[in-house]
Amino acid sequence: DQQVKQNSPSLSVQEGRISILNCDYTNSMFDYFLWYKKYPAEGPTFLISISSIKDKNEDGRFTVFLNKSAKHLSLHIVPSQPGDSAVYFCAASARIGANNLFFGTGTRLTVIP
Amino acid sequence: NAGVTQTPKFRILKIGQSMTLQCTQDMNHNYMYWYRQDPGMGLKLIYYSVGAGITDKGEVPNGYNVSRSTTEDFPLRLELAAPSQTSVYFCASRSLDDSRRNTIYFGEGSWLTVV
Repeated sequence: DQQVKQNSPSLSVQEGRISILNCDYTNSMFDYFLWYKKYPAEGPTFLISISSIKDKNEDGRFTVFLNKSAKHLSLHIVPSQPGDSAVYFCAASARIGANNLFFGTGTRLTVIP
Repeated sequence: NAGVTQTPKFRILKIGQSMTLQCTQDMNHNYMYWYRQDPGMGLKLIYYSVGAGITDKGEVPNGYNVSRSTTEDFPLRLELAAPSQTSVYFCASRSLDDSRRNTIYFGEGSWLTVV
């Protein structure tokens, strides 16, 4: 039972444009959300997070938006760069610091130069 | 600058064989984790540890065992390998001080095939 879903397995975007990656979740107990980025043959690396008390969090080119009523979050990358090409995983937990993170299936982003 | 180190990187096992995936971290992190990632799926938590001598089951613990005798090491044992355990395994760690950000640092992964 996949509690965190990323319905787009892949996304292609031109360099300089906006990339929007989407994530939906089913468990209303989730309170903290993260995005991880993964290059081939490497482990995932933390990108950005958001707590349910916020609806937006920015870090440079990356912004995460949270819509709790819709159980939906999205990651915006502006402007997209070829080095952003990777698999992006959305993850959720019941609280900050919880030991069990629930991951989505990932979206492969390709930024075309 | 090692971080989280896993060995081996690749392994082929026969059904019924046993093996241990090694994981060590040099960041003095309290928390350590083992995840598996099946093709086209998200990562799922197998076991975790909140400190030396303390381990607990995650979402998919069946078929695995762990131990945590030191802060640095968190080996994952497969006792009787089955084809369903073919997966990529990621070890990870997290500092107690980072708990507010829930930042988990992952190793590079171990590719295991059971035939």
